[in-house]
Amino acid sequence: GENVEQHPSTLSVQEGDSAVIKCTYSDSASNYFPWYKQELGKRPQLIIDIRSNVGEKKDQRIAVTLNKTAKHFSLHITETQPEDSAVYFCAATLGHGAGSYQLTFGKGTKLSVIP
Amino acid sequence: ETGVTQSPTHLIKTRGQQVTLRCSSQSGHNTVSWYQQALGQGPQFIFQYYREEENGRGNFPPRFSGLQFPNYSSELNVNALELDDSALYLCASSSSGTGYYEQYFGPGTRLTVT
Repeated sequence: GENVEQHPSTLSVQEGDSAVIKCTYSDSASNYFPWYKQELGKRPQLIIDIRSNVGEKKDQRIAVTLNKTAKHFSLHITETQPEDSAVYFCAATLGHGAGSYQLTFGKGTKLSVIP
Repeated sequence: ETGVTQSPTHLIKTRGQQVTLRCSSQSGHNTVSWYQQALGQGPQFIFQYYREEENGRGNFPPRFSGLQFPNYSSELNVNALELDDSALYLCASSSSGTGYYEQYFGPGTRLTVT
């Protein structure tokens, strides 16, 4: 089955700096890679995703890049703000039609933005 | 558009008991997936329901079972509870067959087994 590794496990940055979180996956057939943000005591919130036919996707201060050959993808947050502090999870899945969309998650990165 | 809801919010059970958790999917979504999130870990896939049938299962024993109803809501049942079952149980809804893979999570049910 799919295995997703996520690094680093903790990350502290100064407000205004950039943060980068990296993930690798094992199943070359995986084609959908979402990122979730989970604040303490709250539900995981989908913040951005990318499909295997796209190399990069950007949404305001966040961006995700995908390298299919190397089987890794990364989350980039620019101009970090204290409200970006949370645990971030990457995930991978083989999404297709009406088939199973089993998300395999990384272990998470705790991001702390220091004012 | 209504979001994913779960009940109850918190639950305390004794080892050996049985528990039922409930999930209502987001409006327009026909698929529900269940995940177990242990403290400090990422969610782990339990199973997924589509068209009222199990449509994929993770590495969980048969004492974890589920149902999906015609209105796409779902239940997760766990029999013979063990201490290690203590976790946050999340359901996520999505829309299969549309080419959209996004899964949206409910707030979760915090289960404590003593």
